[in-house]
Amino acid sequence: GESVGLHLPTLSAQEGDNSIINCAYSNSASDYFIWYKQESGKGPQFIIDIRSNMDKRQGQRVTVLLNKTVKHLSLQIAATQPGDSAVYFCAEPGGYSTLTFGKGTMLLVSP
Amino acid sequence: DAGVIQSPRHEVTEMGQEVTLRCKPISGHDYLFWYRQTMMRGLELLIYFNNNVPIDDSGMPEDRFSAKMPNASFSTLKIQPSEPRDSAVYFCASSLGRLPDTQYFGPGTRLTVL
Repeated sequence: GESVGLHLPTLSAQEGDNSIINCAYSNSASDYFIWYKQESGKGPQFIIDIRSNMDKRQGQRVTVLLNKTVKHLSLQIAATQPGDSAVYFCAEPGGYSTLTFGKGTMLLVSP
Repeated sequence: DAGVIQSPRHEVTEMGQEVTLRCKPISGHDYLFWYRQTMMRGLELLIYFNNNVPIDDSGMPEDRFSAKMPNASFSTLKIQPSEPRDSAVYFCASSLGRLPDTQYFGPGTRLTVL
């Protein structure tokens, strides 16, 4: 598949670990944040989002935490599986209808 | 629904040739986005349409790039003439409405310009 970044920050995990992926965002006025997952050779896939009036949101095996004080977002993946291996992007609104994506973090999960 | 459909999946062409990338958004979605992904610059928005009308093309790198959406179910991104630095993966995405509606991405077209 397509390599999206030879020099991406990389997080290595063992199957069953809990993994945390971090993201610093730029616009303190952003009211909405999204995490996308991109597997090799595929397009980005929506995982979970969070509004700025929340500090935590949980999904299936994933939790997003928002710290507006330091403009920091994190994605926690519980009991990671090899199928979670992918590049993870955070995104924030870049305009009225557009998104600005971060550079991404590669998660590699070993069996 | 089949999701966002893009064609071709891979394109190899020579510098100076015209390249046309195609996208079929999810039926009923009013917004369509074209992105480019490279190792150096990450995922960048090129242009987006609302109800087939181009709204913001400020991300289009040069006049060599053009995009059209003749109807609600089809869009093209054309590069003429193509250059080696245009080599990238081009994604099309669509959403039902504006943010916070989710953008759904297609599988991408990997373009290589020799």
